[in-house]
Amino acid sequence: AQSVAQPEDQVNVAEGNPLTVKCTYSVSGNPYLFWYVQYPNRGLQFLLKYITGDNLVKGSYGFEAEFNKSQTSFHLKKPSALVSDSALYFCAVRYRNQGGKLIFGQGTELSVKP
Amino acid sequence: DAGVIQSPRHEVTEMGQEVTLRCKPISGHNSLFWYRQTMMRGLELLIYFNNNVPIDDSGMPEDRFSAKMPNASFSTLKIQPSEPRDSAVYFCASSLGAGAANEQFFGPGTRLTVL
Repeated sequence: AQSVAQPEDQVNVAEGNPLTVKCTYSVSGNPYLFWYVQYPNRGLQFLLKYITGDNLVKGSYGFEAEFNKSQTSFHLKKPSALVSDSALYFCAVRYRNQGGKLIFGQGTELSVKP
Repeated sequence: DAGVIQSPRHEVTEMGQEVTLRCKPISGHNSLFWYRQTMMRGLELLIYFNNNVPIDDSGMPEDRFSAKMPNASFSTLKIQPSEPRDSAVYFCASSLGAGAANEQFFGPGTRLTVL
């Protein structure tokens, strides 16, 4: 079955350090990949997406993600973490032949400490 | 611009009662999605509409769940009768088209508690 995996339930980072939140997807067709962030008691907010072209995608709030086809990964990164980045992050995948269905990973809780 | 609007934000009801959740998508968006979020199962797509027509309802858990979209600016998700295991946060999202490349915009969610 087509799926997306976030191998870490929680990531802890010190403020000012770089952060990485990992995501891998199952191989099937040409994926469109997304990252969303969820703050407590809020809906999901779109961060960035990979459709085609440059493997490095830049998004909101200084986040970026790199699509790696050989490793079937789409890790989220930020050069310098902020305490306000602390939230729940979801990776999601859609396939061109699957229409609207967006498949989410289980989420990774990012905690940035001062 | 207003984002996706959901009401109510919180709903507490007793088992067996009917529950109706409401959603107003972003103006101009023609695809609408209903999701459920629980600790155990994460985020699950229940159903989605394109141009007011249900396209995929394979995620609707049981016949107790139904969804309608009578026009482009309104959708409802109804649970009748409700059960404690329906307790979850229900999100509505909309997008400009159901194409796979289009990102979805989420509402703030409705937190449902069934006692």
